[in-house]
Amino acid sequence: GDSVTQMEGPVTLSEEAFLTINCTYTATGYPSLFWYVQYPGEGLQLLLKATKADDKGSNKGFEATYRKETTSFHLEKGSVQVSDSAVYFCAPPAAGGTSYGKLTFGQGTILTVHP
Amino acid sequence: SQTIHQWPATLVQPVGSPLSLECTVEGTSNPNLYWYRQAAGRGLQLLFYSVGIGQISSEVPQNLSASRPQDRQFILSSKKLLLSDSGFYLCAWSVPLTKQFFGPGTRLTVL
Repeated sequence: GDSVTQMEGPVTLSEEAFLTINCTYTATGYPSLFWYVQYPGEGLQLLLKATKADDKGSNKGFEATYRKETTSFHLEKGSVQVSDSAVYFCAPPAAGGTSYGKLTFGQGTILTVHP
Repeated sequence: SQTIHQWPATLVQPVGSPLSLECTVEGTSNPNLYWYRQAAGRGLQLLFYSVGIGQISSEVPQNLSASRPQDRQFILSSKKLLLSDSGFYLCAWSVPLTKQFFGPGTRLTVL
């Protein structure tokens, strides 16, 4: 079945450092891919998504490129801020179309950014 | 170790029928509990969260309700299901201000 492997962390960086959180997946077909973020004390929210191979999702300075050849969807940000401290979840492939395939999220990567 | 259970795993219900999905957590005390929904092809949407027994916060107006009758039990309900209630429902728990752990989910189809 479809699955995802996410770098567990935790990750601790200084402000303005470069961030990469690795995520690789296994899936049949070409599913949509998502990154979610959970800020302290809040629920999950969608950070960015990509719907097909070579798509680049971006939001709030974060980017992730859907790379079919390496089955990866790594999250990157060129210059992190203290406010980026949160838990980041790489969402596994969601079954396309009208299917509601079972989802198995990873446990997330805790990011702490120091001033 | 902590575990989270959800049931049923799959459910098919007619429009207008009631709904009750249950989530229980083991191995922890006073967790934050969450209900999420993912509709086909869309991201997760937070529906409800609870920081304690009897405390429920609703994130979006909808046809659903939630209850927390016990510390580690979280129930999602509806009196009359709509077609738009179809989706994949995830229960999650966390120790406050830390990452969340998700249950296996319930796939609900309303016909």
